[in-house]
Amino acid sequence: EAGVTQFPSHSVIEKGQTVTLRCDPISGHDNLYWYRRVMGKEIKFLLHFVKESKQDESGMPNNRFLAERTGGTYSTLKVQPAELEDSGVYFCASSQGPDRGYGYTFGSGTRLTVV
Amino acid sequence: GQSLEQPSEVTAVEGAIVQINCTYQTSGFYGLSWYQQHDGGAPTFLSYNALDGLEETGRFSSFLSRSDSYGYLLLQELQMKDSASYFCAVVGDDKIIFGKGTRLHILP
Repeated sequence: EAGVTQFPSHSVIEKGQTVTLRCDPISGHDNLYWYRRVMGKEIKFLLHFVKESKQDESGMPNNRFLAERTGGTYSTLKVQPAELEDSGVYFCASSQGPDRGYGYTFGSGTRLTVV
Repeated sequence: GQSLEQPSEVTAVEGAIVQINCTYQTSGFYGLSWYQQHDGGAPTFLSYNALDGLEETGRFSSFLSRSDSYGYLLLQELQMKDSASYFCAVVGDDKIIFGKGTRLHILP
């Protein structure tokens, strides 16, 4: 079974530009999560999709961040315009249902550097 | 609010035993999970405790005390490949909340 795939693995953009991150979850996983880790800090929750619906987007930093999951398959996370503090590693994870001990499957992340 | 506390770094010797502690404050608690992350890699699920007590999986064990809002990850017979960051995570109603991670350094 293919794991969670994220693209690109690395992205370096200038402040003010736009970047779109993509996540392909494990096939059949209705739940998709976005997390972000800024250097030395926690892996911070951003939002949670159940199929194509946003279940919880309480972790989204501000309206420069837009996540979509059209058709309930892959998801994109767009940052527009990017700011320096948006730098970090963005992780996507998927699961069949709420975690009751089975864990999430994470992708390897997209390392975003805003210069 | 929700918060998790764990040491930022721990150093141990190859072949030894190390314990990484985690305390938490949260609402909506189902259990405590542990994840391992090697540099540049994906966080990978290690263990989950929903009930008080010790869960053992090979060289790794995890403990939970719900009354103390405390848990730990115990790694035995340390190997160099265990050098990584270890995150405790509270499993809530519909998402997982992570701590800041503990960087484990292993000396030969």
